[in-house]
Amino acid sequence: AQKITQTQPGMFVQEKEAVTLDCTYDTSDPSYGLFWYKQPSSGEMIFLIYQGSYDQQNATEGRYSLNFQKARKSANLVISASQLGDSAMYFCAMRSNFGNEKLTFGTGTRLTIIP
Amino acid sequence: DAGVTQSPTHLIKTRGQHVTLRCSPISGHKSVSWYQQVLGQGPQFIFQYYEKEERGRGNFPDRFSARQFPNYSSELNVNALLLGDSALYLCASSLYTGELFFGEGSRLTVL
Repeated sequence: AQKITQTQPGMFVQEKEAVTLDCTYDTSDPSYGLFWYKQPSSGEMIFLIYQGSYDQQNATEGRYSLNFQKARKSANLVISASQLGDSAMYFCAMRSNFGNEKLTFGTGTRLTIIP
Repeated sequence: DAGVTQSPTHLIKTRGQHVTLRCSPISGHKSVSWYQQVLGQGPQFIFQYYEKEERGRGNFPDRFSARQFPNYSSELNVNALLLGDSALYLCASSLYTGELFFGEGSRLTVL
């Protein structure tokens, strides 16, 4: 079974500052992928970044980077130079590379950017 | 290009009724997945269909069923609605084992 833990229910960050959203995971699968999604109030889940379990380097996508520490089973999302539009719910998720496309999500972190 | 579209966007039902939710995937995507997101929680996997065949099922009762049509659109059906079925139902499509693209969801309220 897979499990995602997000321990920060809510965070407040000053505009233009960097922010780190925590995510730890648990799985017995040898090969898996880790994802971060942003969910604004509209409800749509917006894909931000992906990290494969065998990727040697941490993933980056523009202002988003994923701090992947495999031994600690953590996959923290770092947002640099935060903007007001970054205010949303953020979900960490994982998927086994074997079988179907099931994503297992955490409970999310509500990020609020303060002007 | 159109993204994943879901209908209806909002609906209200009473306990015991039946509901059908619809999803049109991105053009060219043959895989469709359904998720239930209860308020304050992360989405929970319900079903995945690929090429009209069920490829995965989450831990949901038999009141939940789904199907995929030849044009790869999909329906999620829920029978004998309970108050606890109130949630945002999200549909996602992909090229299979690739990135999942989500729709904006159907928000179901059961009274």
